[in-house]
Amino acid sequence: AQTVTQSQPEMSVQEAETVTLSCTYDTSESNYYLFWYKQPPSRQMILVIRQEAYKQQNATENRFSVNFQKAAKSFSLKISDSQLGDTAMYFCAFSNYGGSQGNLIFGKGTKLSVKP
Amino acid sequence: DTGVSQNPRHKITKRGQNVTFRCDPISEHNRLYWYRQTLGQGPEFLTYFQNEAQLEKSRLLSDRFSAERPKGSFSTLEIQRTEQGDSAMYLCASSLALQGGEKLFFGSGTQLSVL
Repeated sequence: AQTVTQSQPEMSVQEAETVTLSCTYDTSESNYYLFWYKQPPSRQMILVIRQEAYKQQNATENRFSVNFQKAAKSFSLKISDSQLGDTAMYFCAFSNYGGSQGNLIFGKGTKLSVKP
Repeated sequence: DTGVSQNPRHKITKRGQNVTFRCDPISEHNRLYWYRQTLGQGPEFLTYFQNEAQLEKSRLLSDRFSAERPKGSFSTLEIQRTEQGDSAMYLCASSLALQGGEKLFFGSGTQLSVL
């Protein structure tokens, strides 16, 4: 069975600085998807970034980028130029390739606080 | 596009009562998902629909849980004979499944408290 592990329950960063959130996963599949979701106090989960395992290039979305290490089964999220609005829970998630990509396995999350 | 809407936002019930939650997805979305999120955990997948067909329900937590999407639009999640362990946030998400991928849009959830 697939598992997702986030080993940092809480992190903090100063506004405008860079922070990296860690995620490891376990699977025997060779093709799959990895995601980072943000859950602010409003509770609504928002997709931050998506990575397809068969693509070697790391995904990037504006200030958000990932470091995908397939052999190490590691998928970290880097947030550059942190903003107060980035304060939220961040969840790493996995889904199998093919079929429903919405059948997600989530980690326990990392609570990120951006300090002014 | 008003997003995914979930009602009620909060529900308090007594143990043994039945509860029903409603999810209205984004109108053109063909897939709808239900998740449960307990305190300090990530969301846990429960079930999903493609149009009106329930394609995966083996992950529903027990036979007290059931979900419907009768006309392929809104969906309901019912919990019968609630237990204190059912207290959690219940999240709904919808997507438009297209070749090459799908992006989930989540609602703000229904927080259930079982007394």
